Amino acid sequence: DIQMTQSPSSLSASVGDRVTITCRASQTISNYLNWYQQKPGKAPKVLISAASSLHSGVPSRFNGSGSGTDFTLTISSLQPEDFATFYCQQSYITPFTFGPGTKVDVK
Amino acid sequence: QVQLVQSGAEVKKPGASVKVSCKASGYTFINFGIAWVRQAPGQGLEWMGWINGRTANTNYAQKFQGRVTMTTDTSTSTAYMELRSLRSDDTAVYYCAREGYHGSSVMVFDYWGQGTLVTVSS
Repeated sequence: DIQMTQSPSSLSASVGDRVTITCRASQTISNYLNWYQQKPGKAPKVLISAASSLHSGVPSRFNGSGSGTDFTLTISSLQPEDFATFYCQQSYITPFTFGPGTKVDVK
Repeated sequence: QVQLVQSGAEVKKPGASVKVSCKASGYTFINFGIAWVRQAPGQGLEWMGWINGRTANTNYAQKFQGRVTMTTDTSTSTAYMELRSLRSDDTAVYYCAREGYHGSSVMVFDYWGQGTLVTVSS
């Protein structure tokens, strides 16, 4: 199975901050990498697909990059509604595995 | 608009089975697969498997092989996930999610159900 890791596991930030989350796959997955945001008690929502493609309706402050094994999600200017947990997920090969998550909370 | 609506919360005893439903609307059901993802309390997301909406072919995570069955009813655009021989560590929120492709070959879980809490307790 492909193992996904994320760093940091949590971070504290303020509104307006630039936030960067990294995701690493245990083997190359090309661009088969998606990012999701999950708020407490809610289902995840897709932000980015294919490593860098912004999903429909997602604000442009979210940006994804990377290929191969190393990926990054950047929030250019954190907004109050962005405090949540973020997960990366590979869809290169089954089982489709998720990273352990990065919780972004208020500083 | 695309919607996935899941059945309600369940409480089961160890050793029992649970069957969760996921009713789809707003798109052509047979054109997309449905995956099942679970999340234990305070934990991350775990992919359980997938069913093809057209052929009903399935692909289960090895961890659940022999204990899970995913099915569909195309007449009602509903997917089902049955998990047997429940244990306390199966306590989790179970989500269905549509497998979409948005201009690329990369599958993404683009729509999710609201989740179904399954509690396993004696």
